[in-house]
Formats: sequence, C-alpha cells, structure tokens
Amino acid sequence: AQTVTQSQPEMSVQEAETVTLSCTYDTSESNYYLFWYKQPPSRQMILVIRQEAYKQQNATENRFSVNFQKAAKSFSLKISDSQLGDTAMYFCAFIPTAGNNRKLIWGLGTSLAVNP
Amino acid sequence: GAGVSQSPRYKVAKRGQDVALRCDPISGHVSLFWYQQALGQGPEFLTYFQNEAQLDKSGLPSDRFFAERPEGSVSTLKIQRTQQEDSAVYLCASSPVAGGHQDTQYFGPGTRLTVL
Repeated sequence: AQTVTQSQPEMSVQEAETVTLSCTYDTSESNYYLFWYKQPPSRQMILVIRQEAYKQQNATENRFSVNFQKAAKSFSLKISDSQLGDTAMYFCAFIPTAGNNRKLIWGLGTSLAVNP
Repeated sequence: GAGVSQSPRYKVAKRGQDVALRCDPISGHVSLFWYQQALGQGPEFLTYFQNEAQLDKSGLPSDRFFAERPEGSVSTLKIQRTQQEDSAVYLCASSPVAGGHQDTQYFGPGTRLTVL
C-alpha cells in the first residue's frame, strides 16, 4: 500500500525562526513526484513546493526548501524566516508516475502556528 | 488567468436531499479530480477525469455519489439522498496533462456541504 505519514499533528514556531515539518512515505514505485501543499484557515489548498524523485538536488522556493532522502523515503519541509502568514495546515503528498492513475496520496497534515 | 472555481461555496441540505456541486477547472486543463475532506483531516480521493473520460472512481464512497464531465471541461459531483456522514468539504483540482511538471494539481476553494 502507498502511504504518507506526517508524525507531527501540531507545531508552533516564533516569527522569523526556522521550522521543519517531517514527512515519510511508503511506495514500491521508483519514480514519483512529491509535494507540500499549504491550506490556510480560508481552506484554499496552495502548492508550496514539489520535488521529482529522480532529481537528487533538493527543491527550494524562496523561504521554503525540502530535504529529500529517497533511500529513507523522507521528504521534510523547512520554512525559514517564518511569517505570520505561514500559519496553516501543511500536507505532504505524492503521485507515482507509472500508470494512468494521477491521484495524490496524502498525509494527515501538520497544523503549523506562527506566533508573533 | 482564472483559477479553479467551485460553486456553491456553502451548501446546507436536509438528510435525504440530492445535491449537485460544480467545478470549473483552469481553462485547457485536461485532468480533473474530486476530493472529500472531513473536518481536521486530509483530502480523500473520490474520482479522476482525463478530458471527459472518468478513469478512476474507486474513491466514491457509495453508489449515491456520481460525477460527470460530459464535455471535458466543467464537472459536476452529485450526491443523492444525502446522509449526515456526507458532511465535508468537497475539493476540486485540475492539472494540465499527466506527466512532468504538469502533474501539479491546482485546487479550487472547495464546497462545504452540511447535511442536517
């Protein structure tokens, strides 16, 4: 079975500090894409960052970066210089590239609170 | 350009009523997905279309749920004889085509369904 595990249901961080959200996944596929999505209290799901499994270089997007460890099946998200607007639920997800099925496999999410 | 839109944003139904939820994907996007998100949970896959073809409906919880995308653009998710356990936010997402960066799914704001 393909699963995503986010072991931290809730986290908090002080404004301007750095926080890391963990994600592990299980799949027998060798090629896939990994995503972090953010869902603020308004509930619009927004893409934060994506990583192709065949790329060894970790993806970065401004203050957001990932630590992708393919052998360990780990895909953590680091948020630097945290801002109040980063307060949201963060979901880790992946899509295997094989086959026609394009559905995202989701974790249960981590609720992040950025405190002033 | 315009993002994914969904209507209505909120729907209250009495148990036993039929409801129809609409999704307008990003223009030109080939793939369309429906997810169900219960309060405090991650999204759960319902069904997936590529153009007008429904390639995967394995996530539909019962035969009361039906989705269509007759012209390969707008999609409707219909729930017949609603039950209280159907109360959730229904998310729609679209992506350009399968494969590569095109696998990124872009989400609409969701429809919050409350069944009384």
